Amino acid sequence: EVQLLESGGDLVQPGESLSLSCAASGFTFSTYAMTWVRQAPGKGLVWVSSINTNGGTTDYADSVKGRFTISRDNSKNTLYLQMNGLRAEDTAVYYCAKALRSNHYYGVDVWGQGTTVTVSS
Amino acid sequence: QTVVTQEPSFSVSPGGTVTLTCGLSSGSVSSGYYPSWYQQTPGQAPRTLIYMTDTRSSGVPDRFSGSILGNKATLTITGAQADDESDYYCMLYLGRGIVGFGGGTKLTVL
Repeated sequence: EVQLLESGGDLVQPGESLSLSCAASGFTFSTYAMTWVRQAPGKGLVWVSSINTNGGTTDYADSVKGRFTISRDNSKNTLYLQMNGLRAEDTAVYYCAKALRSNHYYGVDVWGQGTTVTVSS
Repeated sequence: QTVVTQEPSFSVSPGGTVTLTCGLSSGSVSSGYYPSWYQQTPGQAPRTLIYMTDTRSSGVPDRFSGSILGNKATLTITGAQADDESDYYCMLYLGRGIVGFGGGTKLTVL
C-alpha cells in the first residue's frame, strides 16, 4: 500500500525554524517527484514546493522562496521541508504528496494525512 | 501573476449532474496546463480524482469525468450522491516549475 506519513509539525514563535519530514512507503520513492501543499485554517489548498527525483531541481511558491528549503533522501525514502523565518501566515496543515511522474507538472496522486504547523507568540 | 479561478460554491440535486470549472485570470486553459482535480471533505486529506485533464485516478468512479470546454477545464459529476458533498480543487501547471490551485468550489448536494 502506498503511504505518506508527515511529521514534525509544532507550535513555534514567529521567526523560528521548523523541519517537516514525510516518510514514504509502498512505491519506488526515487522515481517520483514530490510536493508539499499547505492549507491554512478554513482556507484552500496552496502549493508550497516541489522537488524532482534526484533533488537537482526544486521549485517554490513566491510566498516561501528564500525561507523554505525542500530536499529528499532517496536512501531513506524521506522528503523534507526546512522552514526558516516562520511567520503567522505560515500557520497551516502541511501535506506531503507524491507526483505522478518524475516532475511535478502533471499533478499528484497520493496524499499524506498532514502535519500541523502553528506560528504564534 | 496568473490566478486559477473556480466557482466559490455550487449546488446540485441528488441524482443530478453538475459541471465545475477551472479557469485562468488571464488566458485559456488547455491540456498543456495538465489540469487535475481533487476532492476534500472537512478534516480529511485531499483525494485525487482526475489528472492530465481527463484521466481518473485509481478507484475513482466513472461518474466523475474531466475535460476542457471552451477556455476552461471542467469536472463533471453525473448522478450526484450525498457523499459527493465536498470541496473541489483544481490545480494547473503555470509554467517555469510553478503550479497553482484554484480557490476551491464548495459543492452542496440537496
